[in-house]
Amino acid sequence: DGGITQSPKYLFRKEGQNVTLSCEQNLNHDAMYWYRQDPGQGLRLIYYSQIVNDFQKGDIAEGYSVSREKKESFPLTVTSAQKNPTAFYLCASSSLDRAGETQYFGPGTRLLVL
Amino acid sequence: AQTVTQSQPEMSVQEAETVTLSCTYDTSESDYYLFWYKQPPSRQMILVIRQEAYKQQNATENRFSVNFQKAAKSFSLKISDSQLGDAAMYFCAYRFRMNSGGYQKVTFGTGTKLQVIP
Repeated sequence: DGGITQSPKYLFRKEGQNVTLSCEQNLNHDAMYWYRQDPGQGLRLIYYSQIVNDFQKGDIAEGYSVSREKKESFPLTVTSAQKNPTAFYLCASSSLDRAGETQYFGPGTRLLVL
Repeated sequence: AQTVTQSQPEMSVQEAETVTLSCTYDTSESDYYLFWYKQPPSRQMILVIRQEAYKQQNATENRFSVNFQKAAKSFSLKISDSQLGDAAMYFCAYRFRMNSGGYQKVTFGTGTKLQVIP
């Protein structure tokens, strides 16, 4: 089955700790995205990548970092600089051709601070 | 900047009845896409329906249809014969359309929580 997987489903972070959220897709999509979702708000873009070894900051990139070493993978690291990391994190992907207007989402990771 | 507004934080509907969720958006562009996504309690975002702004015909997917009013910048979602499984958060979203393809930001509304009453 083609799709997007995210792991873990739940993640706990201690103060001062960096944690990494995994996102993998087998849809052969060029573009991948990370969103943060907080209660009562829509999705906010953290980072996106259109091609391997290249990525761009979104609206709320501070305290986060990403890498794109493989087309299929786009991990997100929540660093200790992110002071309010508790949120639901969604990964998405899309193609970049003219039909690539639709983003498809993974099941999400819930990050909680201990 | 594009904005998407969903003015109904919560809605409820009786099972088997019809409900309409509202969405308005602001853009200076003429060619774009509009989407409705569903987020059930599992929290996975699922595409419900998509509308291309250059198409006059309203999109339909089974029990889901839209009322796209381009001049009014309105994009409402109608759910007919509501089912218990329709209970979810519904997000309206906008994306500018480029002829050459490539990345364009998707702007999401804040969502409408739909409750389906048995």
